[in-house]
Amino acid sequence: AQTVTQSQPEMSVQEAETVTLSCTYDTSENNYYLFWYKQPPSRQMILVIRQEAYKQQNATENRFSVNFQKAAKSFSLKISDSQLGDTAMYFCAFITGGSEKLVFGKGTKLTVNP
Amino acid sequence: NAGVTQTPKFQVLKTGQSMTLQCAQDMNHEYMSWYRQDPGMGLRLIHYSVGAGITDQGEVPNGYNVSRSTTEDFPLRLLSAAPSQTSVYFCASSFVPGLASEQYFGPGTRLTVT
Repeated sequence: AQTVTQSQPEMSVQEAETVTLSCTYDTSENNYYLFWYKQPPSRQMILVIRQEAYKQQNATENRFSVNFQKAAKSFSLKISDSQLGDTAMYFCAFITGGSEKLVFGKGTKLTVNP
Repeated sequence: NAGVTQTPKFQVLKTGQSMTLQCAQDMNHEYMSWYRQDPGMGLRLIHYSVGAGITDQGEVPNGYNVSRSTTEDFPLRLLSAAPSQTSVYFCASSFVPGLASEQYFGPGTRLTVT
């Protein structure tokens, strides 16, 4: 079975600091995509960043970057210069080649404190 | 573009009642899917469709029916609501299923079954 594990149910960080959210996944496939989604209190699911498994270079989007360790099946999200608007649930997800099914982790609730 | 729309935003049902959650997208996406989100469980796939006339089951399909008569619409039917179906439901769409295609999510429907 393909699974995603987010080991930190809740985290908090001070505004302007850096925080890292962990994610590990399990698949026997070699071709897949990884994603981080943000869900603020509005409930809307927002794509934060994605990583192609065949790319060794870690993806970055402004203050958001990932540390992709393919051998370890690890895909952590680093948020730099945290802002109050980063307060949200964050979900790690992946989809494999040939599959139509996006598999989600259980989420990490991040609170940014002023 | 309106993107992915869902109606209603909130619904309360009594056990045994039936209802249909509506989902529509105006992006000409082939792939559409339904998820449910429960506390501590992340998002779980209920049903999905890779095109008009084609549907398939996800991880938690029991108690739900879907159909896809047009590219734009993908309604989710609860045949006989149960309290275990109390959840937040998300519809999502993408150009094609799988690797390179970002999934766009609707705003969600909060369903309570009493």
